[in-house]
Amino acid sequence: GQNIDQPTEMTATEGAIVQINCTYQTSGFNGLFWYQQHAGEAPTFLSYNVLDGLEEKGRFSSFLSRSKGYSYLLLKELQMKDSASYLCAVTDSNYQLIWGAGTKLIIKP
Amino acid sequence: GAVVSQHPSWVICKSGTSVKIECRSLDFQATTMFWYRQFPKQSLMLMATSNEGSKATYEQGVEKDKFLINHASLTLSTLTVTSAHPEDSSFYICSARDILADRPEQYFGPGTRLTVT
Repeated sequence: GQNIDQPTEMTATEGAIVQINCTYQTSGFNGLFWYQQHAGEAPTFLSYNVLDGLEEKGRFSSFLSRSKGYSYLLLKELQMKDSASYLCAVTDSNYQLIWGAGTKLIIKP
Repeated sequence: GAVVSQHPSWVICKSGTSVKIECRSLDFQATTMFWYRQFPKQSLMLMATSNEGSKATYEQGVEKDKFLINHASLTLSTLTVTSAHPEDSSFYICSARDILADRPEQYFGPGTRLTVT
């Protein structure tokens, strides 16, 4: 079956760095997405990785290793507004998005 | 670019009535739209994939006669919750894929909060 695993909840301190991991097992692979979702709102796009390596975009970076079925989202200089759920999603061979359950990130002052 | 709207943003209805939710891609064409449901503190659950001009594909466990999906144009898909019951109260989110985009990203609407009393 298809499966995406990510931690349920993480806590970090304002100004620090946090890494959210995602491992996947899917039938085929056509890219991995990270989305941010604040409570009561729809998800918003953060990053897309289809090749191995690190993609950096401001305070957020995303890494992919296809051979290991592994990705992480790195958030630097954490701000209180970064408190949200972070969703990992993989596009399979049918171009359907397979969603992880999301990681709730709690930022403490 | 790539804006998706949903209407209404919230709705309260009585048990037994039907509710229609619209999802529109405002600045791109979408042959495929997706309907999700999300209960409090839970992850997104894909309900169905809507393809323009054809029948929707429903996920296992989703009643197609209860959740009617119509995708009549490249910019509009509708979800009708028929004979709604309190257990249908949830956050319904649509997303759309740009047919011209070079990556399979889904653009999300802002969601519709449905409360059935």
